[in-house]
Amino acid sequence: NAGVTQTPKFRVLKTGQSMTLLCAQDMNHEYMYWYRQDPGMGLRLIHYSVGEGTTAKGEVPDGYNVSRLKKQNFLLGLESAAPSQTSVYFCASSYSAGHGSTEYFGPGTRLTVL
Amino acid sequence: DQQVKQNSPSLSVQEGRISILNCDYTNSMFDYFLWYKKYPAEGPTFLISISSIKDKNEDGRFTVFLNKSAKHLSLHIVPSQPGDSAVYFCAASAGKLIFGQGTELSVKP
Repeated sequence: NAGVTQTPKFRVLKTGQSMTLLCAQDMNHEYMYWYRQDPGMGLRLIHYSVGEGTTAKGEVPDGYNVSRLKKQNFLLGLESAAPSQTSVYFCASSYSAGHGSTEYFGPGTRLTVL
Repeated sequence: DQQVKQNSPSLSVQEGRISILNCDYTNSMFDYFLWYKKYPAEGPTFLISISSIKDKNEDGRFTVFLNKSAKHLSLHIVPSQPGDSAVYFCAASAGKLIFGQGTELSVKP
């Protein structure tokens, strides 16, 4: 099992460009999440999904959109990138949520917006 | 408004000694707590967890303590090893996970 994979690993964008980050999991998990990690800020939840075809906003959703067309994939889109979106992005998945649930993380995507 | 706080950005410990990482939280609705470990250029990996109905959970060299009255969580690593050098995140759950800022542990030989 590959677990949680993310594509690409690195990307440099210019302000105003768009891109999509792909997350895939092979554990048949219902729940999937997108986080960003910034120095001194820990991991902050951007958007999440509780099942195929569903999405919901997290703590810092502005400037991002997501889609979950297939259970195994969760896409994060930046329509018009801004320097403030320079960060490391992590995708995670879990079988359930809340008490007793463990999230499994991908290796991350390092994004720089110039 | 940081609901989960790790007030020490870094910690340095000698190999073989105990490492104690601390975490404070403000939301009394949190009922499940976790510690994740993160190496550079990798994603966080689950380390150990504890339910709010317990005050201690042990797994090998790792022990997590929960003091609900103080809203305080700690991770003890005994004995510390150089391979334990990483960033440690605590997280709390009342549905979704809320992460602390992380503490970078350095274990020196």
